[in-house]
Amino acid sequence: GQNIDQPTEMTATEGAIVQINCTYQTSGFNGLFWYQQHAGEAPTFLSYNVLDGLEEKGRFSSFLSRSKGYSYLLLKELQMKDSASYLCAVNNAGNMLTFGGGTRLMVKP
Amino acid sequence: DSGVTQTPKHLITATGQRVTLRCSPRSGDLSVYWYQQSLDQGLQFLIQYYNGEERAKGNILERFSAQQFPDLHSELNLSSLELGDSALYFCASSASGGRYGYTFGSGTRLTVV
Repeated sequence: GQNIDQPTEMTATEGAIVQINCTYQTSGFNGLFWYQQHAGEAPTFLSYNVLDGLEEKGRFSSFLSRSKGYSYLLLKELQMKDSASYLCAVNNAGNMLTFGGGTRLMVKP
Repeated sequence: DSGVTQTPKHLITATGQRVTLRCSPRSGDLSVYWYQQSLDQGLQFLIQYYNGEERAKGNILERFSAQQFPDLHSELNLSSLELGDSALYFCASSASGGRYGYTFGSGTRLTVV
């Protein structure tokens, strides 16, 4: 079966760093995606990892360990506009994306 | 603009009614996916079409149906609507079955009263 776990909610302070973890167990693996979703809006693409290691893109970085079935999204220099839900999604053997339940991040002043 | 167009943006209808949601995928994308997102919930996969054919089915109710037309646009039909069907319905498209991720439309907010 497909199982993707991520924390339901996290709170962090403006200017700080936050790490959102995602663990997965899926039938097959063709890459892991992170999406950002503001309330009432569409998810938007943040990052993609298919090989082990860290991918950095500005204030956002994403890490993958395939052997551990683990990924994290790192957000640096947090801004109020980063308050959103962050969705971990795995591309399984059938080239379908399976989404986790999302992590709601609240950034406080 | 993501390139995926969904209409209408908002829809209010009564219980028992039937509605049709429409999605035009990004140019060149053959796959269309439909998702339901209830308030404060995750994305629930409903159904996927690839080049006009149904490819995968998720937790889609029998009251719901979909199709993809030769021009690749897709429609999601919801019938005998219940209060619990109130949700955001997203359409997403991808070029190659999802291998390169999905691009989402802005969604249709359905309110059943």
